[in-house]
Amino acid sequence: EDQVTQSPEALRLQEGESSSLNCSYTVSGLRGLFWYRQDPGKGPEFLFTLYSAGEEKEKERLKATLTKKESFLHITAPKPEDSATYLCAATSHGQNFVFGPGTRLSVLP
Amino acid sequence: DAGVTQSPTHLIKTRGQQVTLRCSPISGHKSVSWYQQVLGQGPQFIFQYYEKEERGRGNFPDRFSARQFPNYSSELNVNALLLGDSALYLCASSLDRGRYEQYFGPGTRLTVT
Repeated sequence: EDQVTQSPEALRLQEGESSSLNCSYTVSGLRGLFWYRQDPGKGPEFLFTLYSAGEEKEKERLKATLTKKESFLHITAPKPEDSATYLCAATSHGQNFVFGPGTRLSVLP
Repeated sequence: DAGVTQSPTHLIKTRGQQVTLRCSPISGHKSVSWYQQVLGQGPQFIFQYYEKEERGRGNFPDRFSARQFPNYSSELNVNALLLGDSALYLCASSLDRGRYEQYFGPGTRLTVT
């Protein structure tokens, strides 16, 4: 059974303090690994797709990387507006996404 | 271009009632998926439709059903509501054709009392 886990469950950072979020996946025949940002009470906002080990994607202060077993979302010099829940999802055949429980990030000014 | 839209935004129902949620995908997207998100958890897959055909179903009871219309919009129906059905229901659309990114709507918050 496909499975996605995320750590830590919650993370508090000071503004400017860089860190990484982890997503571990067990998926047969990975077709895509996805990162989303979700603000309270809203739908997830698409950030990145990673398709193969070694791939990296960047957007502003965020950088996502992928290995054969896990993905990392690196946050460089975060700002308070980066506070949100970050979700990781994987798909083995492009149909249903299996989501992790998310990491709640708080960036304090 | 407009993103994925969902209606209604909020809904309050009583146990045993039935509910219909609606979703319009991004223009050009032919695939629509439905997810249930309970507070504090990640979204759980319910259904995926492509070109009006069901392509996938998650581990949800038969009280949950869905359909997709010729214009690619979709409805999710839940019968005999239970308190545990209270959640944020999310619709996502995707282009498919080898690109699997799913783009989510704002969700419908369903409260069952």
